[in-house]
Amino acid sequence: GENVEQHPSTLSVQEGDSAVIKCTYSDSASNYFPWYKQELGKRPQLIIDIRSNVGEKKDQRIAVTLNKTAKHFSLHITETQPEDSAVYFCAASIVRGDYKLSFGAGTTVTVRA
Amino acid sequence: DGGITQSPKYLFRKEGQNVTLSCEQNLNHDAMYWYRQDPGQGLRLIYYSQIVNDFQKGDIAEGYSVSREKKESFPLTVTSAQKNPTAFYLCASRSKSTDTQYFGPGTRLTVL
Repeated sequence: GENVEQHPSTLSVQEGDSAVIKCTYSDSASNYFPWYKQELGKRPQLIIDIRSNVGEKKDQRIAVTLNKTAKHFSLHITETQPEDSAVYFCAASIVRGDYKLSFGAGTTVTVRA
Repeated sequence: DGGITQSPKYLFRKEGQNVTLSCEQNLNHDAMYWYRQDPGQGLRLIYYSQIVNDFQKGDIAEGYSVSREKKESFPLTVTSAQKNPTAFYLCASRSKSTDTQYFGPGTRLTVL
């Protein structure tokens, strides 16, 4: 099955700086890559996703890049703010068939004021 | 994701007891999923259902059971066979149009 690895496990950044989280996946058939943000004790919420026919996608301060050849994708958060502090999860899925999501282990991001 | 509810929010179980976690959605989604979350780990898939009256085992199904008698409901039973059931349990449903999985608020199960 799909194996998703996520790095780093923790990330501390100064407010206003950028944060980058990287994930790799093993199944070359995976074609859908969502990112979720989870605040303490809350449900994961989708913040951005990308499909394999696109190399980059942006939504305000958040961007995701995908390198299909290398089988890795990254989340970029610019101009970080205290409310960006949370756990971020990457995931990969094959869109067709069973649509199962395989998640990375998560990155705890702390934005220092 | 406000259309997915889980109950109870907190659940305490004695060893040897079966407990059932509720998951309801009013989003008209066909597919529903159950995940387990442990500290420092990602979400692991327990069971999933693509359609009413059908479900499949995920990666860690041992000690769990589910049913899918109605489109809106996908309850999870944690049986006494589950050796380490203390965890945060998340239910999700998937939009067919966007492939996005939306999560419920979760149930935190503690075995006493």
